[in-house]
Amino acid sequence: AQTVTQSQPEMSVQEAETVTLSCTYDTSESDYYLFWYKQPPSRQMILVIRQEAYKQQNATENRFSVNFQKAAKSFSLKISDSQLGDAAMYFCAYSPDSGGGADGLTFGKGTHLIIQP
Amino acid sequence: SQTIHQWPATLVQPVGSPLSLECTVEGTSNPNLYWYRQAAGRGLQLLFYSIGIDQISSEVPQNLSASRPQDRQFILSSKKLLLSDSGFYLCAWKAGFSNSPLHFGNGTRLTVT
Repeated sequence: AQTVTQSQPEMSVQEAETVTLSCTYDTSESDYYLFWYKQPPSRQMILVIRQEAYKQQNATENRFSVNFQKAAKSFSLKISDSQLGDAAMYFCAYSPDSGGGADGLTFGKGTHLIIQP
Repeated sequence: SQTIHQWPATLVQPVGSPLSLECTVEGTSNPNLYWYRQAAGRGLQLLFYSIGIDQISSEVPQNLSASRPQDRQFILSSKKLLLSDSGFYLCAWKAGFSNSPLHFGNGTRLTVT
């Protein structure tokens, strides 16, 4: 079974600075997909960014980018120019390619990101 | 565009009472549907998923059950709630493609007293 590990229960960063959230996963599959979700205090789950394992290029969405290291099974999220609205729980998630990913995503336990004004 | 509705937003129920949480999706057909539970500090745990009407897969043995009576309707039920059923329940849908992300409802906070 696949597992997703987020080793940082909590991170703190100054507003306008850059922060990196770590995620590692364990899988025997060669094709899969990785996601980062944000959960603000409202508890709404919001997709931040996704990465296809077959792509070597790291995904980028505005101030959010990933560092995907397939051999190391590492998928970190970098947030540049941190803003107060970035404060939230961040979850890393994995989806296999096999079976069309019908059995959903496997999530890490999350990292609580605090933004210091 | 697609939207997902989940209700109720909050629920307080006594131990031993029944439970029914409902989720509906609009703007898409034949979605994959999911129920997750989020306990404090434990991330999201997949409870059930469905790839079609009356096709339900259970990920963990528990006091809960799920049903999908219509293509875009997913229901989480229990005949008798336990204290351990308290938590935050999230319904989600995704298209039937591997790279499709999950789209979540706003969640239900369930407190069993």
